[in-house]
Amino acid sequence: EAGVAQSPRYKIIEKRQSVAFWCNPISGHATLYWYQQILGQGPKLLIQFQNNGVVDDSQLPKDRFSAERLKGVDSTLKIQPAKLEDSAMYLCASSGGQGSSYEQYFGPGTRLTVT
Amino acid sequence: QKEVEQDPGPLSVPEGAIVSLNCTYSNSAFQYFMWYRQYSRKGPELLMYTYSSGNKEDGRFTAQVDKSSKYISLFIRDSQPSDSATYLCAMRRSSASKIIFGSGTRLSIRP
Repeated sequence: EAGVAQSPRYKIIEKRQSVAFWCNPISGHATLYWYQQILGQGPKLLIQFQNNGVVDDSQLPKDRFSAERLKGVDSTLKIQPAKLEDSAMYLCASSGGQGSSYEQYFGPGTRLTVT
Repeated sequence: QKEVEQDPGPLSVPEGAIVSLNCTYSNSAFQYFMWYRQYSRKGPELLMYTYSSGNKEDGRFTAQVDKSSKYISLFIRDSQPSDSATYLCAMRRSSASKIIFGSGTRLSIRP
């Protein structure tokens, strides 16, 4: 089966600009996650969707970050305006296929650099 | 205090050596324990998954969980250069709850 797709792979922007990331989960996976991974740290959950509803967004900086999953399939994560500390890898993951539904499959990530 | 502590390394060992990677945690409610491998510029991939205490073996990899000490380990036997990556420990309270990751240990296997 095809894996989790993300685009773009790399993005460089200036602070105060906006940026959007796109994720397409594995087909049939109901749960979608966005993580932020700062260099030298483990991934930190930003938001979790179950179909098109939000399950957990407690660590999403809502003053500047937003995410949507309108049709319960692909998702976008937006940052507006970006700050220097937003420089990180943004990972999308999905779970909920047949078999081991607990397992999260990660995409390749989008590396964001804010200058 | 972080919920999950992991030595960042880097750890460099010769090919064929046994590698031991470890994490400690503070939340006794964690029941599910995982190890992920992350190659440079890639997303993490699940290596090992253990429920509660005990050992689990998969090929060259063995995961151990000691809940009484709040300590988990991953052993890699006959290490190969292709094992060079960052290894992240991770844990969760239930199969559906949020995963908490360690900061990762960077491992390098010298040919």
